[in-house]
Amino acid sequence: KNQVEQSPQSLIILEGKNCTLQCNYTVSPFSNLRWYKQDTGRGPVSLTIMTFSENTKSNGRYTATLDADTKQSSLHITASQLSDSASYICVVSISNDYKLSFGAGTTVTVRA
Amino acid sequence: DTEVTQTPKHLVMGMTNKKSLKCEQHMGHRAMYWYKQKAKKPPELMFVYSYEKLSINESVPSRFSPECPNSSLLNLHLHALQPEDSALYLCASSIYRDNNYEQYFGPGTRLTVT
Repeated sequence: KNQVEQSPQSLIILEGKNCTLQCNYTVSPFSNLRWYKQDTGRGPVSLTIMTFSENTKSNGRYTATLDADTKQSSLHITASQLSDSASYICVVSISNDYKLSFGAGTTVTVRA
Repeated sequence: DTEVTQTPKHLVMGMTNKKSLKCEQHMGHRAMYWYKQKAKKPPELMFVYSYEKLSINESVPSRFSPECPNSSLLNLHLHALQPEDSALYLCASSIYRDNNYEQYFGPGTRLTVT
């Protein structure tokens, strides 16, 4: 069964600090992995996308890593800001398939 | 234009009402999707249209009726909904690239059924 598991479920960090979110997947055949940021009551916005051959991708203060052998990904947020408070969702795609496999998300709260 | 738009942003309706959600994109994407998302849960796929034809229906109750009038528009007609249908309804469109349907999400419609 295709599954995407994220940890932790939620975390609270102080403004300016760094944090790392984890994603493990069993989706096969793997096509790509995306990290989305979703503000409460809004649609998901793509942060990074990585294919099988890529092991790191950055978007500003967000850096994603992918280990296709162990089927693990992480999202690192550097120098967090209050606006980083959101849910971060790991999403894995299968080749030529409309359906996506979503993780349950990690809720990040940044406090001043 | 690189975005998916959805209207209305918020909708409150009674169980006997008929309403519609609208989604629009002008990126030339030929697949469009409806998702339902409850609080603190990931989006759940409802319908997929490919080249204006219904391709996937994830066993959605008939009180939800999708329509794709043209390649840029996607509607979701609502009738006789239940309070448990209250959720964020997300529309997405996708481009086929590198053997993958790369999906772009709209901002969502927050639906409350009273």
